Amino acid sequence: ILNVEQSPQSLHVQEGDSTNFTCSFPSSNFYALHWYRWETAKSPEALFVMTLNGDEKKKGRISATLNTKEGYSYLYIKGSQPEDSATYLCAALDSNYQLIWGAGTKLIIKP
Amino acid sequence: GAVVSQHPSWVICKSGTSVKIECRSLDFQATTMFWYRQFPKQSLMLMATSNEGSKATYEQGVEKDKFLINHASLTLSTLTVTSAHPEDSSFYICSASTPRSSYEQYFGPGTRLTVT
Repeated sequence: ILNVEQSPQSLHVQEGDSTNFTCSFPSSNFYALHWYRWETAKSPEALFVMTLNGDEKKKGRISATLNTKEGYSYLYIKGSQPEDSATYLCAALDSNYQLIWGAGTKLIIKP
Repeated sequence: GAVVSQHPSWVICKSGTSVKIECRSLDFQATTMFWYRQFPKQSLMLMATSNEGSKATYEQGVEKDKFLINHASLTLSTLTVTSAHPEDSSFYICSASTPRSSYEQYFGPGTRLTVT
């Protein structure tokens, strides 16, 4: 059974600043790593799915990297905007296709 | 593409009654569907994973007899909250996935259940 940890739990960032946060997971039996963005009163929305060590994905100002050997993924947001305020969830899928969620990082962008 | 619907979006029921929530994948076949519960100011709590045509796998602490899950087809899964009590009041959300997308999850809009 995987344990997925996200840090920090919450984060206040000034509008315009860049930020990043971490998802860590056991590297054994790894299959895929998912990042989701969850805005208040909406359903979670998939941002990235990564499977290979060294994967880097980008969507606009948001990007993510994956290190499966050491068991972590970073999510970066460049030039934060108020609309980036949300909870960012990561989930790790193991080789038994068991999906384990992190508790999320709540990001608040201060105008 | 990859749209998931849930019905109803909100429901109020009396204590002791049962409530059924439907989760449908509208434009794809979902081999696996997941049911989550969100407690106030907390993250998603996975309740169970269901694969089409087989029994659901429940997470530790989730009562199988209370939360009945049926995944009879590749596009429909149902969650029935039996003999509901006020403590079952919560936000229930489903998601669907397929192996083709490394099990990327497509979430439904959720169902707000209030038990009076």
